[in-house]
Amino acid sequence: AQSVAQPEDQVNVAEGNPLTVKCTYSVSGNPYLFWYVQYPNRGLQFLLKYITGDNLVKGSYGFEAEFNKSQTSFHLKKPSALVSDSALYFCAVSAMDSNYQLIWGAGTKLIIKP
Amino acid sequence: DSGVTQTPKHLITATGQRVTLRCSPRSGDLSVYWYQQSLDQGLQFLIQYYNGEERAKGNILERFSAQQFPDLHSELNLSSLELGDSALYFCASSVARTSRDQEQFFGPGTRLTVL
Repeated sequence: AQSVAQPEDQVNVAEGNPLTVKCTYSVSGNPYLFWYVQYPNRGLQFLLKYITGDNLVKGSYGFEAEFNKSQTSFHLKKPSALVSDSALYFCAVSAMDSNYQLIWGAGTKLIIKP
Repeated sequence: DSGVTQTPKHLITATGQRVTLRCSPRSGDLSVYWYQQSLDQGLQFLIQYYNGEERAKGNILERFSAQQFPDLHSELNLSSLELGDSALYFCASSVARTSRDQEQFFGPGTRLTVL
């Protein structure tokens, strides 16, 4: 069955340090991978996506993500965290066996401490 | 601002009642998605409409229904409400028929509280 796992409910990082939010997936066929961010009391906002090509994709607000086919992972990264990055982050995947409907992870709360 | 609007922002009602949530997609988007976000269930896909027709169904209860009108706005109807229906309901839109490689644009949500 198709699934997306975000193994950490919460990630704590000091401001200025690099951050990683993990995502692994399980689908058949080629995956299309997405990251969204949700700030408090707001709707989700698209951050970046991997469709094909370069495994490292760059997105909004200085975020990037690396697609690793062998490890079925799509971790979100940022070289230097800002307090304003504190939010809830969702990974999602679509693939042929999900009829291209998005399968969502449970979300990871990112807390950046000054 | 995503360009997706949802009304109302907040809704407080009693068990057994019926409510209607409204969504207007971004200009030019033909797909509308409805999601429910609750603390214990995370983000749950409910249903998708594309250009007026139902395209896909997720974990939508039989007490819930939706439709998309000719002007592409959509309504989500929730009936016989239960305490457990209290949640944030999001609408999202996209230009494409499928989510395959197109991002979705989310509205600000409607917070439903059932007392």
